[in-house]
Amino acid sequence: ETGVTQSPTHLIKTRGQQVTLRCSSQSGHNTVSWYQQALGQGPQFIFQYYREEENGRGNFPPRFSGLQFPNYSSELNVNALELDDSALYLCASSPPGQGVQNTGELFFGEGSRLTVL
Amino acid sequence: AQSVAQPEDQVNVAEGNPLTVKCTYSVSGNPYLFWYVQYPNRGLQFLLKYITGDNLVKGSYGFEAEFNKSQTSFHLKKPSALVSDSALYFCAVRALGGSYIPTFGRGTSLIVHP
Repeated sequence: ETGVTQSPTHLIKTRGQQVTLRCSSQSGHNTVSWYQQALGQGPQFIFQYYREEENGRGNFPPRFSGLQFPNYSSELNVNALELDDSALYLCASSPPGQGVQNTGELFFGEGSRLTVL
Repeated sequence: AQSVAQPEDQVNVAEGNPLTVKCTYSVSGNPYLFWYVQYPNRGLQFLLKYITGDNLVKGSYGFEAEFNKSQTSFHLKKPSALVSDSALYFCAVRALGGSYIPTFGRGTSLIVHP
């Protein structure tokens, strides 16, 4: 069973640039969510995708956007990068049977560490 | 609104001794509660969850957690700590029937000394 994989693992961008992070969900999982984990903080929910549609969003501005593809993989796009966007970005998937309202555990990837200079 | 408090930034314990990592929560209605562990430069790994039923929940790697509704707590415990348990531990909550978005605590660094 393949777990959640994310790419790239590390990247450095400058302020104002755009970044795309990618996530492949665990086999059989149809729900993907994205989290931002700043240094010394817990994960903060960005948004969730279920059946290729965004079905929940945290307190993040519109320059954070995403996609989910038919194979359930997902992308997180961040435009107009700011210094405060520097963080570990975590993707998590969850299996079907839990429905849109996730009642169970999340399966996390190892994250993409973004540094904005 | 829902929230999680992990009052200790760091917990130190000697190997072989029991450990407790504290978590209190606030949520409207009945809670779903979770514990996750994060090793350095890794993603979070699920340890255990409380949905309903017995207040004592057993999880991975010998960890357990006790749900206390009156104290709105969900403390993580292990009878005998291992050096390899040293990691960052996160408590998370979401409300039954409410927002399906879980809220995570800030995390507690557990250090187990040989």
